Amino acid sequence: DIQMTQSPSTLSASVGDRVTITCRASQSISRWLAWYQQKPGKAPELLIYKASTLENGVPSRFSGSGSGTEFTLTINSLQPADFATYYCQQYDDYSATFGQGTKVEIK
Amino acid sequence: QVQLQQWGAGLLKPSETLSLTCAVDGGSFSGYYWSWIRQPPGKGLDWIGEINHSGSTNYKPSFRGRVTMSVDTSKNQVSLKLTSVTAADTAVYFCARGRIPARFKNAFDLWGQGTMVTVSS
Repeated sequence: DIQMTQSPSTLSASVGDRVTITCRASQSISRWLAWYQQKPGKAPELLIYKASTLENGVPSRFSGSGSGTEFTLTINSLQPADFATYYCQQYDDYSATFGQGTKVEIK
Repeated sequence: QVQLQQWGAGLLKPSETLSLTCAVDGGSFSGYYWSWIRQPPGKGLDWIGEINHSGSTNYKPSFRGRVTMSVDTSKNQVSLKLTSVTAADTAVYFCARGRIPARFKNAFDLWGQGTMVTVSS
């Protein structure tokens, strides 16, 4: 399996902050990377696919970048609705794998 | 608005078989791959495998031998069976749609509500 490693595991931030989450793959996955947001008790929601393409309906304060083995998710001007856990997922391999998650909490 | 509705037994004893079903309501069923993904309490997401409308499957190697996915095109439903469950299989199980039709290896753009399955003697 391709291993996905996110950092940090927890991030404390305030409303209005710019936050960045990093996801590293154990081998090159080109740009086959997605980002999800998950709130407690809910299913994950797709934010970004193919490393940088915003899913329909996702606010433009979310952006993604990267290729190969290193990727970032950036949230500009953090909003109250953005406090959640974020996961990256690779889909270059026939077995999809996820990062361990990054919890964005209120400072 | 396409929705995924899932259901199944929530409490199992060790060695029993987990059985869940996911119905696609309000949208296209054929042409997509449908995955099962689980999440142990307080932990991350673990992809189990996927199936398409014609029954072609792709299972994560660590589940092969225990997992069977099936499809009922007349009802727009996919099902998951996982045999010989242990406490380690306790998790919320989600069904999800692969974003790009007719393709393995996908991001997941539509998710079911999740079903909590607890394995306990």
